[in-house]
Amino acid sequence: DQQVKQNSPSLSVQEGRISILNCDYTNSMFDYFLWYKKYPAEGPTFLISISSIKDKNEDGRFTVFLNKSAKHLSLHIVPSQPGDSAVYFCAAKYSGAGSYQLTFGKGTKLSVIP
Amino acid sequence: EADIYQTPRYLVIGTGKKITLECSQTMGHDKMYWYQQDPGMELHLIHYSYGVNSTEKGDLSSESTVSRIRTEHFPLTLESARPSHTSQYLCASSISSGAQFFGPGTRLTVL
Repeated sequence: DQQVKQNSPSLSVQEGRISILNCDYTNSMFDYFLWYKKYPAEGPTFLISISSIKDKNEDGRFTVFLNKSAKHLSLHIVPSQPGDSAVYFCAAKYSGAGSYQLTFGKGTKLSVIP
Repeated sequence: EADIYQTPRYLVIGTGKKITLECSQTMGHDKMYWYQQDPGMELHLIHYSYGVNSTEKGDLSSESTVSRIRTEHFPLTLESARPSHTSQYLCASSISSGAQFFGPGTRLTVL
């Protein structure tokens, strides 16, 4: 049973517009969430994270929103740039003692069209 | 910028060969991880280590083994490679909390 779900395998957005990537989770123990960006043949790059005590975290063009009641988070990229074209993975973890493992979604491939 | 390295980046080998994928990090992180990822799929944790001489199997069953003799080094070994082992292998490290930082990965093809 997949505990972290990214239901959109792909997304196309015009350059300069907003990209919104979505992620749902089922495990209510998860309390820390991360977004990674991955180019082909490279390792994932950490983008931004959010703790469950917050509902929003912003870093430059990237903002992550967390809705705990809906078990849903989203990544907003504004404005989108062609270099943002990559696969974006949502990940979640439980921050309890001795627990450091991440659970990943299957990713959403973002294409930013010039 | 994370300093975590993997070699080789690409490897094509024949069935039955023994291989070792290298992973090292210079950040002094005590936690290290190995993931396997196939195209269009999520990353699956196959091994992790919380410190020297500590290794555990992850959620995805794997025929590989790992060792952690030094903090900075976490190699993964396949004793006898098979075509089913063809995949991308990603190494990561972290401190006690927060994000994991990934290496560039090794793309393994077993013929």
